Amino acid sequence: QVQLQESGPGLVKPSDTLSLTCAVSGYPLSISNWWGWIRQPPGKGLEWIGYIYDSGGTHYNPSLKSRVTMSVDTSKSQFSLKLSSVTAVDTAVYYCVSLRGEYCSGDTCEDRSIYYNYMDVWGQGTTVTVSS
Amino acid sequence: QSVLTQPPSVSGAPGQRVTISCTGSSSNIGAGYYVHWYQQFPGTAPTLLIYGNTYRPSGVPDRFSGSKSGTSASLAITGLQAEDEADYYCQSYDSSLGVWVFGGGTKLTVL
Repeated sequence: QVQLQESGPGLVKPSDTLSLTCAVSGYPLSISNWWGWIRQPPGKGLEWIGYIYDSGGTHYNPSLKSRVTMSVDTSKSQFSLKLSSVTAVDTAVYYCVSLRGEYCSGDTCEDRSIYYNYMDVWGQGTTVTVSS
Repeated sequence: QSVLTQPPSVSGAPGQRVTISCTGSSSNIGAGYYVHWYQQFPGTAPTLLIYGNTYRPSGVPDRFSGSKSGTSASLAITGLQAEDEADYYCQSYDSSLGVWVFGGGTKLTVL
């Protein structure tokens, strides 16, 4: 079973870059898979930040695209998020997730594209506060 | 304003059946993109509850079920229990915006 654990600074200054890492255990990153980041501002709902594939392909939220960079380090079994030029509105709990697109009917299973993937495992989340 | 619209809150007594709606449009649910549902207890990470409109991950009680019709989807919970009190989020893909989207979330209160 995949397990995810976020890590990174809990406090970031305005205009600085937020950097988070998600350590993956129980699943070799060398096997093709999509990974992602979701955030949740205090008292609010969930917001999709972006997805990254093992080979480096990415999908970013257009509203954050100019500030977001995601990367994968298969040798360290981890993937990372960088969000530049942060402001107070970036204060949130940040979750890393693993995605899965397998759908089974009886003994038959098929993998469907990223557009049909679901977030089957979530990290516990890490709180990031943007403040001077 | 979320692309997927959920009621802010629903409630029900123990043993009752409740449904949570997730209303989208022709560029997401109506376009055939799947709806997934997540359950979140206060102070904890969300967990997958229903995927692919109707599939239930192993370990999720069969009291939980999902359905989809047209541009909307629903999560139904039967035999409501106190432990079901949580926030519920629907999620899908929107081809017009090119983003994966969540509903605003629904807080379920067990009376």
